[in-house]
Amino acid sequence: ETGVTQSPTHLIKTRGQQVTLRCSSQSGHNTVSWYQQALGQGPQFIFQYYREEENGRGNFPPRFSGLQFPNYSSELNVNALELDDSALYLCASSLLAGGPTDTQYFGPGTRLTVL
Amino acid sequence: KNQVEQSPQSLIILEGKNCTLQCNYTVSPFSNLRWYKQDTGRGPVSLTIMTFSENTKSNGRYTATLDADTKQSSLHITASQLSDSASYICVVSAGIHDMRFGAGTRLTVKP
Repeated sequence: ETGVTQSPTHLIKTRGQQVTLRCSSQSGHNTVSWYQQALGQGPQFIFQYYREEENGRGNFPPRFSGLQFPNYSSELNVNALELDDSALYLCASSLLAGGPTDTQYFGPGTRLTVL
Repeated sequence: KNQVEQSPQSLIILEGKNCTLQCNYTVSPFSNLRWYKQDTGRGPVSLTIMTFSENTKSNGRYTATLDADTKQSSLHITASQLSDSASYICVVSAGIHDMRFGAGTRLTVKP
């Protein structure tokens, strides 16, 4: 176990709705990254938070937003859900802001299905 | 086009056999290359991390190699076990916020 937890495990929403996914990082890890993994594909980087500030973002629209809290928990919010948002959402925590040899510890993921 | 290409897409081997998975990349600049193991329904778990100056890194029965000149990496699994059945993902980092994931190789180990 990596010590990173995510909730819920599975979630079903309809198009146009909003969703909040949660992640609890390893204690002491100041950095959390969120990824979207479509079926049969590798994860795609959404954004990264370091000490409660967003410090990096992938090619995702503004309807994907996040928060990081002082207690090492974080959220991924997605507004106006689209069918293509159906995927496994992974969070990963690390000690530093993604240094060259910084190990990321992934959670088990949240499987989101948009109908 | 994905800048990290992995091959084969899937592989079936018998328990106890060795296998080698390939990763070719065009990501530039290059910071480091990582191999992850992802069990079905789980998040990826780090196996190895290599920087530009390293050309081999081992983690138990897993050995990763890196040729930064040809931009190729391989992951060799020795004496495979049923628990090795998983997807193996190659990740190349061009910088702190720039990690490019391959689509993975799906390995099945059969008894």
